[in-house]
Amino acid sequence: QVQLVESGGGVVQPGRSLRLSCAVSGFTLSRNAMHWVRQAPGKGLEWVAVISYDGSNKYYADSVKGRFTISRDNSKNTLYLQLNSLRPDDTAVYYCATDRRFPWGWFAPWGQGTLVTVSS
Amino acid sequence: DIQMTQSPSSLSASVGDRVTITCQASQDISNYLNWYQQKPGKAPKLLIYDVSNLETGVPLRFSGSGSGTDFTFTINSLQPEDIATYYCQQYDKLPLTFGGGTKVEMK
Repeated sequence: QVQLVESGGGVVQPGRSLRLSCAVSGFTLSRNAMHWVRQAPGKGLEWVAVISYDGSNKYYADSVKGRFTISRDNSKNTLYLQLNSLRPDDTAVYYCATDRRFPWGWFAPWGQGTLVTVSS
Repeated sequence: DIQMTQSPSSLSASVGDRVTITCQASQDISNYLNWYQQKPGKAPKLLIYDVSNLETGVPLRFSGSGSGTDFTFTINSLQPEDIATYYCQQYDKLPLTFGGGTKVEMK
């Protein structure tokens, strides 16, 4: 059974950093592109970043470019998102998701999400 | 960026009703369109990919159609467990973008 479990969320002050992890089990991570998608409280879904199956290509939403870094360790079946220079509008539930299409397409399955709250 | 406009933003329907949601792209996205269901407090779940392909295990009362810029998502015979927010998503170009969501409530 495929399972994605995010961790690393919490309350952080503006300008600080946080690293999110997404542990994958039930399939081989190295075959799929992976995404981070976020959802601010009471709002819709916003795509954040994608990383190719081998980590060679990374793309970001303009809202996080230069502040967030997506990475992966296929040997550990884990996806990461480094969040720097956090702002209050980064407050959201962050989901990791697998992509089943090359180079990208749809998100399935998703993790349960981890909440990041940026507040002083 | 490709803007995805969903309508309505919310609707109320009865058990057994047919529910239709539309999604319009700001430019031609061919058939690169997916639909998700999100129940309160839960992660989204893929229902339909490539406009009309049902994800494994998704009930046949869900369907999708369209091409280019105009797409439709339909629930035939609404069930209580279908109460959720539904999102369309395009993957023709980065950034990948979602519609604003349609909240489906029971009348």
